[in-house]
Amino acid sequence: EDKVVQSPLSLVVHEGDTVTLNCSYEVTNFRSLLWYKQEKKAPTFLFMLTSSGIEKKSGRLSSILDKKELFSILNITATQTGDSAIYLCAVDSGGSNYKLTFGKGTLLTVNP
Amino acid sequence: DAGVIQSPRHEVTEMGQEVTLRCKPISGHNSLFWYRQTMMRGLELLIYFNNNVPIDDSGMPEDRFSAKMPNASFSTLKIQPSEPRDSAVYFCASSFRPDTQYFGPGTRLTVL
Repeated sequence: EDKVVQSPLSLVVHEGDTVTLNCSYEVTNFRSLLWYKQEKKAPTFLFMLTSSGIEKKSGRLSSILDKKELFSILNITATQTGDSAIYLCAVDSGGSNYKLTFGKGTLLTVNP
Repeated sequence: DAGVIQSPRHEVTEMGQEVTLRCKPISGHNSLFWYRQTMMRGLELLIYFNNNVPIDDSGMPEDRFSAKMPNASFSTLKIQPSEPRDSAVYFCASSFRPDTQYFGPGTRLTVL
């Protein structure tokens, strides 16, 4: 059974701090790893990673994948209160079809 | 485009009643996914369709759950009979590629 494990489950920081969120996975047929941000409603897409060692960056957010050690990290620098959300990691293991297995998420709270 | 549309947004029902959740995917997307999200289990894939055909329903909890996609613009998820443990937020998502899986706003189901 495919498995995606995120850590920590929750994190409380102050504005301006840098955070690192972790995602490890065990799947039979890896194709890509995706990060989503979920505020009060539906998840929204952040990054898709397919190759090891190549950093994806969007503003203060960045992510990298290690396919040998089977994990990914999501970094957020200079955090703001608007970064408060659940961050979900998902692995596409669908082979010729699309199938995402999600981790339980990390709840990030950024206090002013 | 209006995005993925789900109805109802909230549903409160009594144990034993039939519940039908509805989803209209984004026009042109050929994959549709039903997810359930709870605090305990996170986001779980229930079933997904590709070109209106169910591809993987291994996530459907039991025979009380059924899903249909009679055409490319409509899908239903039915629970009959409903139980209190079915209380959750049910998301529908559609995609053309895995990195652009768009989620609907969700249906918050409460079974009393």
